[in-house]
Amino acid sequence: EAQVTQNPRYLITVTGKKLTVTCSQNMNHEYMSWYRQDPGLGLRQIYYSMNVEVTDKGDVPEGYKVSRKEKRNFPLILESPSPNQTSLYFCASSLMTETEAFFGQGTRLTVV
Amino acid sequence: GENVEQHPSTLSVQEGDSAVIKCTYSDSASNYFPWYKQELGKGPQLIIDIRSNVGEKKDQRIAVTLNKTAKHFSLHITETQPEDSAVYFCAAPVGGGGADGLTFGKGTHLIIQP
Repeated sequence: EAQVTQNPRYLITVTGKKLTVTCSQNMNHEYMSWYRQDPGLGLRQIYYSMNVEVTDKGDVPEGYKVSRKEKRNFPLILESPSPNQTSLYFCASSLMTETEAFFGQGTRLTVV
Repeated sequence: GENVEQHPSTLSVQEGDSAVIKCTYSDSASNYFPWYKQELGKGPQLIIDIRSNVGEKKDQRIAVTLNKTAKHFSLHITETQPEDSAVYFCAAPVGGGGADGLTFGKGTHLIIQP
């Protein structure tokens, strides 16, 4: 089954404790991206990747890092999480930027 | 960069009636306009998309119309059913050419009243 898998689904952490949210896709897609979803603000792009070893900033990259060492994986790293990063996070992949994007189930992160 | 405005933020309609959600975009070079549906507790899913070489596209009860001159596109749902209740997002390519991905509208919460 074609899918994007994120882990964990839920995470509560403390300010400053480094964390990683994993994302994996099995569709051999080149394009992957991370979004955060906040009430009233919709989906905002954090980082994206056009291919292996190619990443770039989206609209709200501050406080986040990503890596793309393999085509299927695109982890999101929060080196020092802060409460304003409490949000619902989605990973997505697509064959190209202007084709159907497949989203993961989401990761609800709470930073206290 | 691209700016996408979506209206309304909440839409309540009676079951069986039609629903229309509208989006405007700023970059005249944009040529791909998808609509996503997000059900509670799930990630968004593509329901329909349109490219700039057509003005309307239909898929059963769902249609999208595009007006490139006015830079707006709309989602139309006819004969609404309870399972249509969800949050709907429109999107347009960042920077027109789309190399940087999609910019999403803020979403419309569609409520179908029984």
